[in-house]
Amino acid sequence: DTGVSQDPRHKITKRGQNVTFRCDPISEHNRLYWYRQTLGQGPEFLTYFQNEAQLEKSRLLSDRFSAERPKGSFSTLEIQRTEQGDSAMYLCASSLGHRLWEQYFGPGTRLTVT
Amino acid sequence: GQSLEQPSEVTAVEGAIVQINCTYQTSGFYGLSWYQQHDGGAPTFLSYNGLDGLEETGRFSSFLSRSDSYGYLLLQELQMKDSASYFCAPIPGNTPLVFGKGTRLSVIA
Repeated sequence: DTGVSQDPRHKITKRGQNVTFRCDPISEHNRLYWYRQTLGQGPEFLTYFQNEAQLEKSRLLSDRFSAERPKGSFSTLEIQRTEQGDSAMYLCASSLGHRLWEQYFGPGTRLTVT
Repeated sequence: GQSLEQPSEVTAVEGAIVQINCTYQTSGFYGLSWYQQHDGGAPTFLSYNGLDGLEETGRFSSFLSRSDSYGYLLLQELQMKDSASYFCAPIPGNTPLVFGKGTRLSVIA
């Protein structure tokens, strides 16, 4: 257990539905990251926050994806109008800002879109 | 652009030493991290090189040569539990890590 928690751990949804995932980082970590990982691939960066500010968003990220970190603590990732191609493991990680190379990952949320 | 190359698979014998190479090309470079991921698990941080040279952490060591855009992870006294995927992850400036497809290490008896 790294101290980063994610909820839910598994989500099955039908195509076209909206889903929201939550991540609770290590409390003293000011940076929070979202990644997506599919089988046989490494984590693919989606977006990241420093405190409550969203500093970067992947150019590959569809407009259907949105993330928030309203009080600089937990974060949510929402996917609207899900598609089968969204099926993946969604990983959250956190780090101290000055040690951005050392990220602590949560267990992930596995999304299956049917 | 960005590119990252690691061997896709490596097999080694328990007790042996294995080296996993990584070559990278990024727009800007801050340092190189290494992560381990067991099947069904989340990535865990192993090592970081911000400067050229060797960093040692127990049985694991990592090396970086900035001029060659090259690094490696060295695992000594291999154990069965080291069977996992290993990712080198360069940091292209003050932005998040870039992960490639990783190297799947199988340790055999």
